[in-house]
Amino acid sequence: EAGVTQSPTHLIKTRGQQATLRCSPISGHTSVYWYQQALGLGLQFLLWYDEGEERNRGNFPPRFSGRQFPNYSSELNVNALELEDSALYLCASSLHRVMSYEQYFGPGTRLTVT
Amino acid sequence: RKEVEQDPGPFNVPEGATVAFNCTYSNSASQSFFWYRQDCRKEPKLLMSVYSSGNEDGRFTAQLNRASQYISLLIRDSKLSDSATYLCVVNVAGGFKTIFGAGTRLFVKA
Repeated sequence: EAGVTQSPTHLIKTRGQQATLRCSPISGHTSVYWYQQALGLGLQFLLWYDEGEERNRGNFPPRFSGRQFPNYSSELNVNALELEDSALYLCASSLHRVMSYEQYFGPGTRLTVT
Repeated sequence: RKEVEQDPGPFNVPEGATVAFNCTYSNSASQSFFWYRQDCRKEPKLLMSVYSSGNEDGRFTAQLNRASQYISLLIRDSKLSDSATYLCVVNVAGGFKTIFGAGTRLFVKA
Protein backbone atom coordinates (compact mmCIF):
# COMPACT_ATOMS: atom_id res chain seq x y z
CA GLU A 1 0.00 0.00 0.00
CA ALA A 2 1.36 3.39 -0.99
CA GLY A 3 2.08 5.85 1.77
CA VAL A 4 1.51 9.57 1.85
CA THR A 5 3.16 11.26 -1.09
CA GLN A 6 4.18 14.87 -1.46
CA SER A 7 5.43 16.96 -4.34
CA PRO A 8 7.72 18.56 -5.13
CA THR A 9 10.53 17.25 -2.94
CA HIS A 10 12.32 20.57 -3.04
CA LEU A 11 11.09 24.01 -4.00
CA ILE A 12 13.12 27.19 -4.32
CA LYS A 13 11.31 30.50 -4.51
CA THR A 14 12.17 34.14 -4.07
CA ARG A 15 10.64 36.48 -1.55
CA GLY A 16 7.20 37.71 -2.58
CA GLN A 17 6.43 34.75 -4.83
CA GLN A 18 3.79 32.11 -4.26
CA ALA A 19 4.42 28.43 -3.53
CA THR A 20 2.08 25.49 -4.08
CA LEU A 21 2.72 22.20 -2.34
CA ARG A 22 0.77 19.01 -2.98
CA CYS A 23 -0.10 15.97 -0.93
CA SER A 24 -1.82 12.66 -1.64
CA PRO A 25 -3.05 10.76 1.40
CA ILE A 26 -2.99 7.05 2.00
CA SER A 27 -5.83 5.38 0.13
CA GLY A 28 -8.96 5.40 2.29
CA HIS A 29 -7.79 8.27 4.50
CA THR A 30 -10.06 11.31 4.46
CA SER A 31 -8.16 13.66 6.76
CA VAL A 32 -5.10 15.60 5.68
CA TYR A 33 -2.92 17.71 7.96
CA TRP A 34 -0.21 20.20 7.09
CA TYR A 35 2.71 21.07 9.36
CA GLN A 36 5.68 23.40 9.14
CA GLN A 37 9.02 22.38 10.58
CA ALA A 38 11.65 25.06 10.47
CA LEU A 39 15.27 23.91 10.77
CA GLY A 40 16.01 22.70 14.26
CA LEU A 41 12.50 23.41 15.47
CA GLY A 42 9.45 21.31 16.25
CA LEU A 43 6.41 20.70 14.10
CA GLN A 44 3.94 23.54 13.97
CA PHE A 45 0.37 22.69 13.00
CA LEU A 46 -0.83 24.62 9.95
CA LEU A 47 -4.09 23.23 8.62
CA TRP A 48 -6.43 20.28 8.87
CA TYR A 49 -8.80 19.19 6.11
CA ASP A 50 -11.40 16.48 6.26
CA GLU A 51 -14.03 15.53 3.72
CA GLY A 52 -13.13 18.56 1.64
CA GLU A 53 -13.52 21.11 4.40
CA GLU A 54 -11.06 23.04 6.52
CA ARG A 55 -11.61 21.83 10.09
CA ASN A 56 -8.97 23.79 11.92
CA ARG A 57 -5.95 25.99 11.35
CA GLY A 58 -2.94 26.85 13.45
CA ASN A 59 -1.54 30.25 14.33
CA PHE A 60 -0.38 31.19 10.87
CA PRO A 61 -1.27 34.27 8.80
CA PRO A 62 -3.97 34.07 6.11
CA ARG A 63 -1.35 33.93 3.36
CA PHE A 64 -1.09 30.25 4.29
CA SER A 65 -4.10 28.57 2.76
CA GLY A 66 -5.08 25.35 1.13
CA ARG A 67 -7.80 23.08 -0.02
CA GLN A 68 -8.77 19.45 -0.23
CA PHE A 69 -10.03 17.93 -3.44
CA PRO A 70 -12.82 15.34 -3.88
CA ASN A 71 -10.21 12.58 -4.09
CA TYR A 72 -8.91 13.77 -0.66
CA SER A 73 -5.61 15.02 -2.02
CA SER A 74 -4.65 18.43 -0.78
CA GLU A 75 -2.79 21.54 -1.76
CA LEU A 76 -1.04 24.08 0.46
CA ASN A 77 -0.54 27.56 -0.92
CA VAL A 78 1.78 30.12 0.57
CA ASN A 79 1.44 33.62 -0.82
CA ALA A 80 3.81 36.57 -0.53
CA LEU A 81 6.66 34.32 0.57
CA GLU A 82 8.95 35.57 3.31
CA LEU A 83 12.45 34.36 4.16
CA GLU A 84 11.20 32.82 7.40
CA ASP A 85 8.83 30.57 5.44
CA SER A 86 11.85 28.44 4.56
CA ALA A 87 11.12 25.09 6.19
CA LEU A 88 10.16 21.49 5.69
CA TYR A 89 6.43 21.24 5.03
CA LEU A 90 5.00 17.92 6.09
CA CYS A 91 1.67 16.47 5.15
CA ALA A 92 0.03 13.71 7.15
CA SER A 93 -3.14 11.73 6.67
CA SER A 94 -5.38 9.79 8.99
CA LEU A 95 -8.22 7.39 8.53
CA HIS A 96 -10.99 9.64 9.76
CA ARG A 97 -11.70 12.91 11.48
CA VAL A 98 -11.96 11.10 14.79
CA MET A 99 -8.95 12.35 16.66
CA SER A 100 -7.86 9.06 18.08
CA TYR A 101 -6.59 7.88 14.75
CA GLU A 102 -2.87 7.97 14.11
CA GLN A 103 -1.40 10.29 11.53
CA TYR A 104 1.01 9.04 8.87
CA PHE A 105 3.46 11.44 7.33
CA GLY A 106 4.76 12.00 3.85
CA PRO A 107 8.44 12.72 3.19
CA GLY A 108 7.86 16.47 3.07
CA THR A 109 8.57 19.34 0.74
CA ARG A 110 11.61 21.41 1.57
CA LEU A 111 10.85 25.03 0.70
CA THR A 112 13.68 27.50 0.43
CA VAL A 113 12.90 31.19 0.08
CA THR A 114 15.76 33.40 -1.08
CA ARG B 1 3.80 27.52 29.15
CA LYS B 2 3.94 25.14 26.18
CA GLU B 3 0.96 22.85 25.70
CA VAL B 4 3.23 19.82 25.35
CA GLU B 5 6.63 19.82 27.00
CA GLN B 6 9.52 17.44 26.60
CA ASP B 7 13.07 17.42 27.89
CA PRO B 8 15.05 18.30 24.76
CA GLY B 9 18.02 16.21 25.84
CA PRO B 10 20.20 15.08 24.29
CA PHE B 11 20.30 11.77 26.05
CA ASN B 12 23.61 10.02 25.39
CA VAL B 13 23.46 6.35 26.37
CA PRO B 14 25.55 3.24 25.64
CA GLU B 15 24.17 0.33 23.72
CA GLY B 16 22.11 -1.93 25.93
CA ALA B 17 21.06 0.82 28.30
CA THR B 18 17.51 1.55 29.38
CA VAL B 19 16.34 5.10 28.80
CA ALA B 20 13.10 6.84 29.70
CA PHE B 21 11.49 9.97 28.29
CA ASN B 22 8.71 11.96 29.88
CA CYS B 23 6.26 14.35 28.33
CA THR B 24 3.76 16.61 30.08
CA TYR B 25 0.66 18.18 28.60
CA SER B 26 -1.40 21.05 29.91
CA ASN B 27 -4.84 20.58 28.36
CA SER B 28 -7.04 18.29 30.43
CA ALA B 29 -9.25 17.77 27.36
CA SER B 30 -6.43 15.88 25.67
CA GLN B 31 -7.92 12.74 24.24
CA SER B 32 -5.29 10.59 22.57
CA PHE B 33 -1.56 10.29 22.79
CA PHE B 34 1.25 8.99 20.62
CA TRP B 35 4.99 8.67 20.40
CA TYR B 36 6.70 9.29 17.06
CA ARG B 37 10.35 9.06 16.13
CA GLN B 38 12.01 11.38 13.67
CA ASP B 39 15.37 10.75 12.08
CA CYS B 40 17.47 13.68 10.93
CA ARG B 41 15.86 15.48 7.97
CA LYS B 42 13.18 12.79 7.65
CA GLU B 43 9.47 12.72 8.36
CA PRO B 44 8.14 11.59 11.75
CA LYS B 45 7.14 7.94 11.92
CA LEU B 46 4.58 6.57 14.33
CA LEU B 47 6.23 4.55 17.06
CA MET B 48 3.23 3.69 19.18
CA SER B 49 -0.06 4.90 20.52
CA VAL B 50 -0.34 5.37 24.27
CA TYR B 51 -3.26 3.88 26.14
CA SER B 52 -4.45 4.43 29.68
CA SER B 53 -3.62 0.86 30.54
CA GLY B 54 -0.10 1.23 29.21
CA ASN B 55 1.19 -0.69 26.25
CA GLU B 56 4.31 -2.47 25.19
CA ASP B 57 5.82 -3.20 21.80
CA GLY B 58 8.98 -5.22 22.02
CA ARG B 59 11.62 -3.10 23.74
CA PHE B 60 9.32 -0.08 23.93
CA THR B 61 6.82 0.61 26.71
CA ALA B 62 4.50 3.60 26.86
CA GLN B 63 2.55 4.79 29.88
CA LEU B 64 -0.13 7.42 30.37
CA ASN B 65 -0.92 9.14 33.65
CA ARG B 66 -4.04 11.25 33.13
CA ALA B 67 -4.14 12.49 36.73
CA SER B 68 -0.68 13.98 36.46
CA GLN B 69 -1.01 14.72 32.76
CA TYR B 70 2.11 13.05 31.54
CA ILE B 71 3.10 10.25 29.24
CA SER B 72 6.31 8.30 29.20
CA LEU B 73 8.33 6.14 26.85
CA LEU B 74 10.76 3.50 28.07
CA ILE B 75 13.30 1.96 25.73
CA ARG B 76 15.06 -1.15 26.96
CA ASP B 77 18.26 -2.66 25.55
CA SER B 78 18.99 0.40 23.42
CA LYS B 79 20.32 -0.17 19.92
CA LEU B 80 22.42 2.14 17.77
CA SER B 81 19.42 2.36 15.43
CA ASP B 82 17.32 3.87 18.22
CA SER B 83 19.25 7.13 17.81
CA ALA B 84 16.63 9.66 16.75
CA THR B 85 14.41 12.41 18.06
CA TYR B 86 11.35 11.15 19.93
CA LEU B 87 8.22 13.28 19.63
CA CYS B 88 5.36 13.28 22.08
CA VAL B 89 2.02 13.98 20.38
CA VAL B 90 -1.29 14.93 21.95
CA ASN B 91 -4.69 15.23 20.30
CA VAL B 92 -7.08 17.62 22.00
CA ALA B 93 -10.80 16.99 21.68
CA GLY B 94 -13.19 19.80 20.93
CA GLY B 95 -10.59 22.08 19.42
CA PHE B 96 -9.50 19.30 17.10
CA LYS B 97 -5.88 20.10 17.64
CA THR B 98 -2.85 17.91 17.27
CA ILE B 99 0.10 19.19 19.23
CA PHE B 100 3.64 17.94 18.84
CA GLY B 101 6.24 18.31 21.52
CA ALA B 102 9.57 19.73 20.45
CA GLY B 103 11.17 16.31 20.79
CA THR B 104 13.84 14.59 22.83
CA ARG B 105 17.07 13.67 21.09
CA LEU B 106 18.58 10.28 21.82
CA PHE B 107 22.10 9.21 20.89
CA VAL B 108 22.98 5.56 21.45
CA LYS B 109 26.70 4.91 21.32
CA ALA B 110 28.65 1.70 20.82
